[in-house]
Order: sequence, then C-alpha cells, then structure tokens
Amino acid sequence: NAGVTQTPKFQVLKTGQSMTLQCAQDMNHNSMYWYRQDPGMGLRLIYYSASEGTTDKGEVPNGYNVSRLNKREFSLRLESAAPSQTSVYFCASSDTGGRYGNSGANVLTFGAGSRLTVL
Amino acid sequence: EDQVTQSPEALRLQEGESSSLNCSYTVSGLRGLFWYRQDPGKGPEFLFTLYSAGEEKEKERLKATLTKKESFLHITAPKPEDSATYLCAVQGSGGYNKLIFGAGTRLAVHP
Repeated sequence: NAGVTQTPKFQVLKTGQSMTLQCAQDMNHNSMYWYRQDPGMGLRLIYYSASEGTTDKGEVPNGYNVSRLNKREFSLRLESAAPSQTSVYFCASSDTGGRYGNSGANVLTFGAGSRLTVL
Repeated sequence: EDQVTQSPEALRLQEGESSSLNCSYTVSGLRGLFWYRQDPGKGPEFLFTLYSAGEEKEKERLKATLTKKESFLHITAPKPEDSATYLCAVQGSGGYNKLIFGAGTRLAVHP
C-alpha cells in the first residue's frame, strides 16, 4: 500500500522556468491538498481539492496552479518559478467520510515531500 | 484569525527524562486538534486527533491532552527513537478541511 506518492523528490530550477509536481494516492480519498513547508514556519496550504472536479485556493496560492486530473491524481504547477518558491512541497489526501469525528475533523495522509530549489 | 503557536522550538532530553510539548491555539469553532510526527526528510505522520476540551489520547509513550486554549503532548520516559519534529494543527469551522499548522517542536532524545 503506497499511500501518497510524490514525484520528483528533488528538483533544481532556474528563475522563470516552469515545472509540475505530481501526486497520486491509492486510498480512494476524496480530498487532496498541496502544502509548502519553510524553515521556522508551519505547513501552509497552497491549494486543495475537496473532491474530483473541484479546486480551491488556500493560504498562499500566488504563483501556483493545480489540476485534479482524476480521483487519484492532483498536480501542482509553477508557471514561472521564483526564488521565493524554494521550499519543500507536500501533497496530502483525506477521506471525507469514515474518519470524521462528531465535529467533522479530517485526518490527512502526507506524501514524502518534494524539495524544490529555485536559483 | 486562526493561529497555532508551539513551544519550545527545540527540546533536548536525556533518555528516560519525561517532558511536555505545548501547542497554544486560537480558532473559530474547533473541529479538531491534530498532532503529527515528522522525521527528517519525510512527510508528517498522524498521531492523534482531539475534538473537545478535557479529551486525552495515548499511544505508547505519548499522551495528548486538550483544553480550550492549548494542547500538551506529554512524553513519558522517552527513547532515542522518539526524536523527531512534532507538529500541532487545528481545524476550525471557518474553512473546509483547512488545517492551520504550528511551526513544530524539534525533539532530540539522547542516550
């Protein structure tokens, strides 16, 4: 059971280049997320997809685009990379059904991360 | 605005020396408070969810507690393999599935 798989694990880009981070989950989860993690800061939500066919902005969406390709796959695209986008990116997924508590809280399963450096 | 603050930023313990990590939060309508463990070079791994003040959950040497303003992760008689960064996150009623994470506490347990 692979869980959440991200590719690539490492990438170095020059300013202005574009790239796509790929994410796939095999847990039949409805919701998927992209976070970035920077030193001294908490994980920050870039975009999320509550269900197949929908996407919404998170806290820090500027400079990114996403595509929910199907229920399994959720990609993150940097159209014109900037040094400020140097970070570790995490994809996550959650089941909007069975793991809800009475208050509707959701548990996220994370991928191993993709380390991106923009020069 | 929802906010999570974790303290201390880093903690060094001797094996067997118990301690607690703190997570202070401000959230509109708490749906859940989460604790995750993150090892270097890996993604966060789920530990606990707490839903309401007074709730406690345990797993091996870890025990999480919750009040209306903060949560504690108590580590009893830690071992070197407990070394990791521990992340706290809250989900409020304001945004669908939106988790707000703290910056984490880096724990190092030395033999």
